[in-house]
Amino acid sequence: GAVVSQHPSRVICKSGTSVKIECRSLDFQATTMFWYRQFPKQSLMLMATSNEGSKATYEQGVEKDKFLINHASLTLSTLTVTSAHPEDSSFYICSARGGGAFTDTQYFGPGTRLTVL
Amino acid sequence: AQSVAQPEDQVNVAEGNPLTVKCTYSVSGNPYLFWYVQYPNRGLQFLLKYITGDNLVKGSYGFEAEFNKSQTSFHLKKPSALVSDSALYFCAVRTNAGNNRKLIWGLGTSLAVNP
Repeated sequence: GAVVSQHPSRVICKSGTSVKIECRSLDFQATTMFWYRQFPKQSLMLMATSNEGSKATYEQGVEKDKFLINHASLTLSTLTVTSAHPEDSSFYICSARGGGAFTDTQYFGPGTRLTVL
Repeated sequence: AQSVAQPEDQVNVAEGNPLTVKCTYSVSGNPYLFWYVQYPNRGLQFLLKYITGDNLVKGSYGFEAEFNKSQTSFHLKKPSALVSDSALYFCAVRTNAGNNRKLIWGLGTSLAVNP
C-alpha cells in the first residue's frame, strides 16, 4: 500500500514553455499533497501544500503564479511550472498523506527531473 | 522554532558492521519523527516513524531507531550493514498541530557501505 506515482519522470523543455507534472496516489486517498524541490546533494525544500478542493498554501519565497498547483481530486495533484527558465531546472518530488492508516506519514513519488534549456 | 539536525554529512561503514545515522530535533510539543531513504535520482522511501509508545521502533529493510526524549534524539540503526544500504538518509519531525502538519527536514546523511 501507499504508492505514489509521478509523471513524467524526466522532461526537457525550452525556456518560456510550461510544464505540467502529475502526482497520483494509487491505492489511497490523499487529503493532502506536498510539492518539494530538491537541488543536487541538498535537502528537500517544501514549495507548497495542497488540500483537496482548496487553494494551495505556498511557502515563503515560492511564486504561486509561476508554480501552479491544482489538487482537484483525492488522488491527483498537478504542478505546472509556467514560463519555465533554466533556473527552474531541478528535481521535483511530490508526496501524499491520507486518512486512516495513512494519516501520519507522507509517501513520496519517484520524482521528476526538469531540465529547461 | 522547530528544527532537525543531522550532524554528519557522510557516514562510512564496512559491510557487516553495525551502522548509526544520527538525528537530533527541537520541537515544542510531542514530536512525530520519521526516517526516509533516498536512492540516486529517486524519490524518498519511508523507513520508519515514531509517534508514541515503545521508544524502539522497527522499520523496513532491518532498520530501527530509538526515540530518546531526554537527549531529543532519534538515531537510525542497523545491526549489520549491506552495500545496498548505501544511500541518502533523511530525518524529519513534525508536531500534530498547525502548519498543515508539514515536516521539518534534516539536511541528509550520505551513507556509504564499503564491501
